[in-house]
Amino acid sequence: DTEVTQTPKHLVMGMTNKKSLKCEQHMGHRAMYWYKQKAKKPPELMFVYSYEKLSINESVPSRFSPECPNSSLLNLHLHALQPEDSALYLCASSQGVVETQYFGPGTRLLVL
Amino acid sequence: AQSVAQPEDQVNVAEGNPLTVKCTYSVSGNPYLFWYVQYPNRGLQFLLKYITGDNLVKGSYGFEAEFNKSQTSFHLKKPSALVSDSALYFCAVRPALSGGYQKVTFGIGTKLQVIP
Repeated sequence: DTEVTQTPKHLVMGMTNKKSLKCEQHMGHRAMYWYKQKAKKPPELMFVYSYEKLSINESVPSRFSPECPNSSLLNLHLHALQPEDSALYLCASSQGVVETQYFGPGTRLLVL
Repeated sequence: AQSVAQPEDQVNVAEGNPLTVKCTYSVSGNPYLFWYVQYPNRGLQFLLKYITGDNLVKGSYGFEAEFNKSQTSFHLKKPSALVSDSALYFCAVRPALSGGYQKVTFGIGTKLQVIP
């Protein structure tokens, strides 16, 4: 089973809202990732978690706050976003940071 | 700095014909190479990877890719295209190093259109 699930599928939020994206995997993977993808562009890495610890932050603005409550879950907390943050947010996981990444279906975010 | 080039924004092929989606890369040392497919409004699905060994790699849904070190290429192929293969295809590379996270660089994607 190579399934990564993400909720919600779609999210519309105002610039003053606080919302969270959730990602879950039950493959025993110890590395999890957040990516941002704009239309017709490749995914851009945002964060890497390894063994539930943040190991990479690709200079992401503080209005994006990741959290890894346990080895199966990864959250992305959103606050005071801008319209240009509208994108598809993808979660991925891998056995370790050197292994193949498996992606979830994504959350389509629209910031008004 | 590592990079991936997918020279064609779009590839059109008739159903039943062979297809090729091109990818060339640049990386320090040996590469790990990947192909992913993305259907509209969906995440990326892993197709295949080259780590080491046989230069011809077989993957999901009848796809295969050939690693060519001298040409730094990793073209994706399928002998007979299906309409359902129509999607966006991403090639990706990372250095073949262990001991910690190595950044995966994606190409800009190639849209494959299979015509009935």
